[in-house]
Amino acid sequence: RKEVEQDPGPFNVPEGATVAFNCTYSNSASQSFFWYRQDCRKEPKLLMSVYSSGNEDGRFTAQLNRASQYISLLIRDSKLSDSATYLCAVNREGKLIFGQGTELSVKP
Amino acid sequence: DADVTQTPRNRITKTGKRIMLECSQTKGHDRMYWYRQDPGLGLRLIYYSFDVKDINKGEISDGYSVSRQAQAKFSLSLESAIPNQTALYFCATSDLSRGTGELFFGEGSRLTVL
Repeated sequence: RKEVEQDPGPFNVPEGATVAFNCTYSNSASQSFFWYRQDCRKEPKLLMSVYSSGNEDGRFTAQLNRASQYISLLIRDSKLSDSATYLCAVNREGKLIFGQGTELSVKP
Repeated sequence: DADVTQTPRNRITKTGKRIMLECSQTKGHDRMYWYRQDPGLGLRLIYYSFDVKDINKGEISDGYSVSRQAQAKFSLSLESAIPNQTALYFCATSDLSRGTGELFFGEGSRLTVL
Protein backbone atom coordinates (compact mmCIF):
# COMPACT_ATOMS: atom_id res chain seq x y z
CA ARG A 1 0.00 0.00 0.00
CA LYS A 2 1.34 3.41 -0.97
CA GLU A 3 2.01 5.88 1.82
CA VAL A 4 -0.15 8.49 0.07
CA GLU A 5 -3.15 7.43 -1.99
CA GLN A 6 -5.54 9.42 -4.10
CA ASP A 7 -8.86 8.84 -5.80
CA PRO A 8 -8.34 7.20 -9.17
CA GLY A 9 -9.06 9.40 -12.18
CA PRO A 10 -9.79 10.69 -14.62
CA PHE A 11 -12.56 13.02 -13.51
CA ASN A 12 -14.50 14.39 -16.48
CA VAL A 13 -16.79 17.27 -15.48
CA PRO A 14 -18.68 20.05 -17.26
CA GLU A 15 -17.76 23.67 -16.81
CA GLY A 16 -19.31 25.10 -13.67
CA ALA A 17 -19.35 21.80 -11.81
CA THR A 18 -18.03 21.27 -8.31
CA VAL A 19 -15.47 18.51 -8.01
CA ALA A 20 -13.81 17.01 -4.94
CA PHE A 21 -10.56 15.11 -4.69
CA ASN A 22 -9.62 12.96 -1.74
CA CYS A 23 -6.28 11.77 -0.46
CA THR A 24 -5.33 9.51 2.43
CA TYR A 25 -1.96 9.09 4.07
CA SER A 26 -0.76 6.25 6.25
CA ASN A 27 2.04 7.76 8.33
CA SER A 28 0.74 9.65 11.35
CA ALA A 29 4.14 11.39 11.71
CA SER A 30 3.40 13.42 8.60
CA GLN A 31 3.90 17.07 9.38
CA SER A 32 2.37 19.20 6.66
CA PHE A 33 0.22 18.74 3.62
CA PHE A 34 -0.12 20.21 0.17
CA TRP A 35 -1.96 20.13 -3.12
CA TYR A 36 0.10 20.53 -6.28
CA ARG A 37 -1.15 21.09 -9.80
CA GLN A 38 0.62 19.60 -12.80
CA ASP A 39 -0.20 20.55 -16.37
CA CYS A 40 0.47 17.96 -19.04
CA ARG A 41 4.07 16.72 -18.70
CA LYS A 42 5.18 19.95 -17.05
CA GLU A 43 6.61 20.41 -13.59
CA PRO A 44 4.25 20.34 -10.61
CA LYS A 45 3.52 23.66 -8.96
CA LEU A 46 2.15 24.33 -5.51
CA LEU A 47 -1.58 24.99 -5.58
CA MET A 48 -2.12 25.38 -1.86
CA SER A 49 -1.03 24.22 1.54
CA VAL A 50 -3.57 22.39 3.70
CA TYR A 51 -4.19 23.38 7.29
CA SER A 52 -6.15 21.66 10.05
CA SER A 53 -8.59 24.55 10.19
CA GLY A 54 -9.26 24.29 6.47
CA ASN A 55 -8.30 26.97 4.02
CA GLU A 56 -9.78 28.58 0.98
CA ASP A 57 -8.27 30.33 -2.01
CA GLY A 58 -10.91 31.64 -4.36
CA ARG A 59 -12.73 28.65 -5.83
CA PHE A 60 -10.44 26.17 -4.10
CA THR A 61 -10.95 24.81 -0.59
CA ALA A 62 -8.59 22.39 1.15
CA GLN A 63 -9.34 20.40 4.27
CA LEU A 64 -7.23 18.24 6.57
CA ASN A 65 -8.52 15.64 8.98
CA ARG A 66 -5.59 14.42 11.05
CA ALA A 67 -7.64 11.89 12.99
CA SER A 68 -8.73 10.15 9.80
CA GLN A 69 -5.45 10.93 7.97
CA TYR A 70 -7.37 12.42 5.12
CA ILE A 71 -6.91 15.47 2.87
CA SER A 72 -9.39 16.91 0.45
CA LEU A 73 -9.54 19.52 -2.29
CA LEU A 74 -12.80 21.06 -3.49
CA ILE A 75 -12.98 23.04 -6.71
CA ARG A 76 -16.13 25.07 -7.22
CA ASP A 77 -17.39 26.51 -10.52
CA SER A 78 -14.86 24.53 -12.58
CA LYS A 79 -13.18 26.31 -15.48
CA LEU A 80 -11.68 24.81 -18.62
CA SER A 81 -8.32 26.06 -17.33
CA ASP A 82 -8.64 23.83 -14.25
CA SER A 83 -7.94 20.80 -16.44
CA ALA A 84 -4.75 19.31 -15.05
CA THR A 85 -3.49 16.59 -12.74
CA TYR A 86 -3.82 17.30 -9.03
CA LEU A 87 -1.28 15.73 -6.71
CA CYS A 88 -1.55 15.59 -2.96
CA ALA A 89 1.71 15.62 -1.04
CA VAL A 90 2.69 14.92 2.53
CA ASN A 91 5.77 16.32 4.23
CA ARG A 92 7.41 13.67 6.37
CA GLU A 93 10.81 14.46 7.87
CA GLY A 94 11.57 17.13 5.33
CA LYS A 95 10.72 15.16 2.21
CA LEU A 96 7.51 15.29 0.22
CA ILE A 97 5.74 12.04 -0.54
CA PHE A 98 3.25 12.34 -3.40
CA GLY A 99 0.09 10.52 -4.27
CA GLN A 100 -0.42 9.10 -7.74
CA GLY A 101 -2.28 12.18 -8.91
CA THR A 102 -5.85 12.60 -10.14
CA GLU A 103 -6.48 13.85 -13.65
CA LEU A 104 -9.23 16.41 -14.07
CA SER A 105 -10.73 17.24 -17.44
CA VAL A 106 -13.24 20.09 -17.55
CA LYS A 107 -15.38 20.07 -20.68
CA PRO A 108 -17.38 22.94 -22.25
CA ASP B 1 16.03 32.24 -16.42
CA ALA B 2 14.60 29.32 -14.47
CA ASP B 3 15.47 29.11 -10.78
CA VAL B 4 15.92 25.32 -11.04
CA THR B 5 17.61 24.16 -14.23
CA GLN B 6 17.88 20.58 -15.41
CA THR B 7 20.11 19.29 -18.19
CA PRO B 8 19.61 17.56 -20.50
CA ARG B 9 15.89 18.14 -21.05
CA ASN B 10 15.62 15.11 -23.30
CA ARG B 11 17.92 12.15 -23.74
CA ILE B 12 17.70 8.89 -25.61
CA THR B 13 20.28 6.28 -24.71
CA LYS B 14 20.92 2.58 -24.93
CA THR B 15 20.83 -0.12 -22.31
CA GLY B 16 24.07 -0.31 -20.34
CA LYS B 17 25.15 3.27 -20.94
CA ARG B 18 26.05 5.62 -18.09
CA ILE B 19 23.86 8.68 -17.87
CA MET B 20 24.10 11.78 -15.73
CA LEU B 21 21.28 14.23 -15.20
CA GLU B 22 22.33 17.54 -13.76
CA CYS B 23 20.44 20.04 -11.67
CA SER B 24 21.45 23.51 -10.61
CA GLN B 25 19.52 26.10 -8.64
CA THR B 26 19.81 29.81 -8.03
CA LYS B 27 17.27 29.92 -5.19
CA GLY B 28 19.89 29.47 -2.47
CA HIS B 29 17.96 26.56 -0.97
CA ASP B 30 19.51 23.97 1.30
CA ARG B 31 17.49 20.98 0.24
CA MET B 32 17.50 19.27 -3.13
CA TYR B 33 15.61 16.23 -4.39
CA TRP B 34 15.38 13.92 -7.36
CA TYR B 35 12.03 12.37 -8.32
CA ARG B 36 10.93 10.21 -11.20
CA GLN B 37 7.46 10.23 -12.68
CA ASP B 38 5.80 7.37 -14.49
CA PRO B 39 2.22 7.31 -15.78
CA GLY B 40 -0.18 6.29 -13.04
CA LEU B 41 2.51 6.22 -10.36
CA GLY B 42 2.86 9.87 -9.49
CA LEU B 43 6.19 11.25 -8.33
CA ARG B 44 8.51 8.87 -6.52
CA LEU B 45 11.50 10.06 -4.53
CA ILE B 46 14.87 8.70 -5.63
CA TYR B 47 17.38 10.60 -3.49
CA TYR B 48 17.44 13.77 -1.44
CA SER B 49 20.04 15.98 0.20
CA PHE B 50 19.62 18.48 3.02
CA ASP B 51 23.05 20.05 2.58
CA VAL B 52 26.35 19.45 0.78
CA LYS B 53 27.50 16.66 3.11
CA ASP B 54 24.14 14.95 3.33
CA ILE B 55 22.80 12.26 0.95
CA ASN B 56 19.72 10.16 1.66
CA LYS B 57 18.00 7.36 -0.21
CA GLY B 58 14.38 7.77 -1.17
CA GLU B 59 11.86 5.06 -1.93
CA ILE B 60 13.38 3.93 -5.25
CA SER B 61 17.15 4.48 -5.08
CA ASP B 62 18.28 1.14 -6.55
CA GLY B 63 20.11 1.65 -9.84
CA TYR B 64 20.78 5.33 -9.14
CA SER B 65 23.45 7.38 -7.42
CA VAL B 66 23.75 11.09 -6.68
CA SER B 67 26.37 13.70 -6.01
CA ARG B 68 25.88 17.02 -4.21
CA GLN B 69 28.85 18.93 -5.55
CA ALA B 70 27.85 22.26 -4.05
CA GLN B 71 24.81 23.81 -2.43
CA ALA B 72 23.54 24.75 -5.86
CA LYS B 73 24.21 21.50 -7.72
CA PHE B 74 22.77 18.00 -7.37
CA SER B 75 23.37 15.40 -10.06
CA LEU B 76 21.71 12.04 -10.62
CA SER B 77 23.58 9.16 -12.26
CA LEU B 78 22.42 5.93 -13.81
CA GLU B 79 25.56 3.79 -13.89
CA SER B 80 24.14 1.26 -16.32
CA ALA B 81 20.82 2.37 -17.73
CA ILE B 82 18.03 -0.15 -18.27
CA PRO B 83 14.72 0.27 -20.14
CA ASN B 84 12.58 0.42 -17.01
CA GLN B 85 14.42 3.61 -16.06
CA THR B 86 12.67 5.31 -18.94
CA ALA B 87 10.76 8.10 -17.20
CA LEU B 88 10.42 11.82 -16.63
CA TYR B 89 12.88 12.96 -13.96
CA PHE B 90 12.39 16.06 -11.85
CA CYS B 91 14.83 17.89 -9.64
CA ALA B 92 13.38 20.03 -6.86
CA THR B 93 14.56 22.34 -4.10
CA SER B 94 13.11 23.59 -0.84
CA ASP B 95 14.06 26.11 1.78
CA LEU B 96 14.47 24.71 5.27
CA SER B 97 14.25 28.07 6.92
CA ARG B 98 10.77 28.75 5.53
CA GLY B 99 9.53 25.55 7.07
CA THR B 100 6.68 25.20 4.62
CA GLY B 101 8.05 22.22 2.78
CA GLU B 102 7.10 23.74 -0.56
CA LEU B 103 9.09 22.27 -3.44
CA PHE B 104 10.25 24.21 -6.48
CA PHE B 105 10.71 21.95 -9.47
CA GLY B 106 12.87 22.08 -12.55
CA GLU B 107 11.21 21.57 -15.93
CA GLY B 108 12.08 17.89 -16.02
CA SER B 109 14.43 15.62 -17.94
CA ARG B 110 12.81 13.06 -20.19
CA LEU B 111 14.97 9.94 -20.41
CA THR B 112 14.38 7.09 -22.82
CA VAL B 113 16.46 3.93 -22.49
CA LEU B 114 16.28 1.64 -25.53
